[in-house]
This record gives sequence, C-alpha cells and structure tokens, in this order.
Amino acid sequence: AQKVTQAQTEISVVEKEDVTLDCVYETRDTTYYLFWYKQPPSGELVFLIRRNSFDEQNEISGRYSWNFQKSTSSFNFTITASQVVDSAVYFCALTLVFGNEKLTFGTGTRLTIIP
Amino acid sequence: EAGVAQSPRYKIIEKRQSVAFWCNPISGHATLYWYQQILGQGPKLLIQFQNNGVVDDSQLPKDRFSAERLKGVDSTLKIQPAKLEDSAVYLCASSIPRPTLFTYEQYFGPGTRLTVT
Repeated sequence: AQKVTQAQTEISVVEKEDVTLDCVYETRDTTYYLFWYKQPPSGELVFLIRRNSFDEQNEISGRYSWNFQKSTSSFNFTITASQVVDSAVYFCALTLVFGNEKLTFGTGTRLTIIP
Repeated sequence: EAGVAQSPRYKIIEKRQSVAFWCNPISGHATLYWYQQILGQGPKLLIQFQNNGVVDDSQLPKDRFSAERLKGVDSTLKIQPAKLEDSAVYLCASSIPRPTLFTYEQYFGPGTRLTVT
C-alpha cells in the first residue's frame, strides 16, 4: 500500500519569507506520479504540479519550486517570497501508473502567511 | 470552461437520517471520483467511476453508502442511515481517462460539508 507523510501540521511565516513544505512517500512500485494540491478556505482542491517517477528534474514555476529526490522518497515544495494569498492547506499526493488513478493524500500542511 | 459542480454545499442532519449529494463533472471527463475528507485529514477515495461503471469501491462502506452514475455524466452519493463519524467534506473530482504510462490531474469541486448531529 502507498503512504504519504507530511510531518509539518502547521507552518506560519511572515510575508515575503521563503517556506518549504515537506513530503515523504512510500510505495513498492517503481512507476508513479506525485502531486501537490492547494486547498484554500473555499475548500476546493487546486492542482499545482504533477511529477512522474522517471523525471527527477526539479521545477520552478514563478514563486513555486519543487525538489523531487527518489533516493530519499521526498517531493518538497518551496514558496519563495510568500504572499498572504498563499495561505491555505497544501496536500501532497501519490498515484500509481499501473493502478486505478486513485490519489493517496498526505494529511496536509496548513500554511499561514502573516502580513 | 465550467468546473466540477456539487450540491448542496452544506448539510446538517441527525444521525440515522439519510442524505444525498450531487456532482456534475467537467464536460468530457469520463472518470469521476468521490472522496471523503474528515477534518484534519487528507481526502480518502470512496468510489471511482469510469463512465457509468465502477472502477474501485473498496473503501466505500457499502452497508450505508451507495453511489451511482447512471448516464455516465453526473453522479449521486447517498448515505443511509448516517452516523456521527460520517461528518466530513465530500469532494467530487473528475479527470480525463489516461493513456498508458501517464496520468492527468484530477479537478475537484467545492465539496459538500456534512454535519451529523
């Protein structure tokens, strides 16, 4: 069975600081996808990024960047120069390539950006 | 493009009552998912449909939960009778069926917040 662990339950940072959200996953499969979703107070989960297990290249998209390391089974997410609008709960999730596309989510990290 | 629609947004019922939630996925999305999100936890898959067929319902409490997607478009999730532990947000998501070795992201609706008293 798959497992995703987000050890940080809550993080608070002052606006404009950088913040990294940690994600560690477990799976016996060698082919899988990892995701990050954002859940603002409205409740809707918003897709941020998808990364497959064959591609360990890190990615930067504006103020967001992701660090995928298979050796440590981690897929960390960094927000640079945080803004109040970044306040939300962030979920890391995993799905198997040879499976039914079910997403296995972590418990989420609540990020609060203090103005 | 319209997103995933869900109704109602909020529902309060007493235990042992029944309740139904409705979901309309994004047009053209053949795969539909129902997730349960208990407060402080990540979403957990209850049931997955491909068109109007069930792909996975292994975590659906079938003694009280049921779901259908009769015409392969919108779906209904029902709880009968409800228990206190069913208090949660019920999220509907949809996606395009994937080709080999790839997977598309799932698009989520705003959810229905159920409170069982």
